[in-house]
Amino acid sequence: TQLLEQSPQFLSIQEGENLTVYCNSSSVFSSLQWYRQEPGEGPVLLVTVVTGGEVKKLKRLTFQFGDARKDSSLHITAAQTGDTGLYLCAGASSGTYKYIFGTGTRLKVLA
Amino acid sequence: EPEVTQTPSHQVTQMGQEVILRCVPISNHLYFYWYRQILGQKVEFLVSFYNNEISEKSEIFDDQFSVERPDGSNFTLKIRSTKLEDSAMYFCASSTTHYYGYTFGSGTRLTVV
Repeated sequence: TQLLEQSPQFLSIQEGENLTVYCNSSSVFSSLQWYRQEPGEGPVLLVTVVTGGEVKKLKRLTFQFGDARKDSSLHITAAQTGDTGLYLCAGASSGTYKYIFGTGTRLKVLA
Repeated sequence: EPEVTQTPSHQVTQMGQEVILRCVPISNHLYFYWYRQILGQKVEFLVSFYNNEISEKSEIFDDQFSVERPDGSNFTLKIRSTKLEDSAMYFCASSTTHYYGYTFGSGTRLTVV
């Protein structure tokens, strides 16, 4: 069974601080996505990475896919209160259409 | 910005009744999906649909579940005889390719009583 573990589970930081959340698995993924989900809403896609070692930047967010394509990280620089939310990673293996979702990191950025 | 539309936003049904959840995917997307999220738990894959047929389904997607794209724009999920444990948020998603361009709808909250 494929599992994606995210850490930390909860994170509360002050506005302006930097943070990194992690997504780890023992399985290899062909594609990995990061989402943000607000309460009562569907996940909103932030990024898709498909190449081992790939780094993608989206404004203050930096996403990295591990060389072995088993793990990923999301780094936020100078967090803002608007970054508050549940961050989910999801991975898909080669030859499959389904994404396995991680357990999520709930981030709260305090003013 | 194009979006995936789901109706209804909330559905309450009696155990054993049939429900149909509806979705309008983004018009130029080719891949369609249903996921569900039981309160407080992970988002779980149910089924993917491509080229007018199911391309993959999970063990959750048993004979009680079916999907259909009846008219080229709507994408529906039917649960024939609902059980209490079917209570969850059901999300429809569509994508341009197998991996890229995933867009989720806002979900239908299904409550089985």
